[in-house]
Amino acid sequence: DVQLVESGGDLVQPGGSLRLSCAASGFMLSSFWMAWVRQAPGKGLEWVANINQDGSDKRYVDSVKGRFTISRDNAKNSLYLQMSSLNVDDAAVYYCAKWGETTVTSRYWYFDLWGHGTLVTVSS
Amino acid sequence: DIQMTQSPSSLSASVGDSVTITCRASQSIDSSLNWYQHKPGTAPRLLIYGASNLQSGVPSKFSGSRSGTDFTLTITSLQPEDFATYYCQQASRTPETFGQGTKVEIK
Repeated sequence: DVQLVESGGDLVQPGGSLRLSCAASGFMLSSFWMAWVRQAPGKGLEWVANINQDGSDKRYVDSVKGRFTISRDNAKNSLYLQMSSLNVDDAAVYYCAKWGETTVTSRYWYFDLWGHGTLVTVSS
Repeated sequence: DIQMTQSPSSLSASVGDSVTITCRASQSIDSSLNWYQHKPGTAPRLLIYGASNLQSGVPSKFSGSRSGTDFTLTITSLQPEDFATYYCQQASRTPETFGQGTKVEIK
């Protein structure tokens, strides 16, 4: 089956660090841009970070720049999110998502595969 | 950043009804607009990409359209499995922002 499975979510104190992982199966991660998206309790979806196929291009939402690092290990078919200096606003379910692209008529990008998410709780 | 204003934030409808959800972009995004369905505890699901293209495997009861910077998602003949939260997302420029979501509830 084609799927993404996140892990690593936990309860962490403000100021702490955490590393999330996303294991891909059924397809080659190395062929696709990947992303992390989060959903805070009672809130909507928020894009967090993107990474290109070889890890040379990384982009972040302003609120996590300098604190979060997205990375990948294509040999392990895995995506990661290293989070540091966590604050209560970072508490959320974090989803791993695969970017799909079509160029049939025009070029469109979209998340065509998502994981079920992993919960990050930030509390003292 | 491009702001996506989605409305309504929630709606109540009955099984068999049709509903329409609207998303407005703060600037031109051409047709780089996606729609997702999300149920609690599950992975979000892509419904529509490029404003009006139905993702493979998604039933034709879902449709999308564009008029300038206004986008609509229409769901016909609502069934129990369609009650969920729906999000639009612009994929024209990073950050790829989402709308606030529309929760479709059973009346």
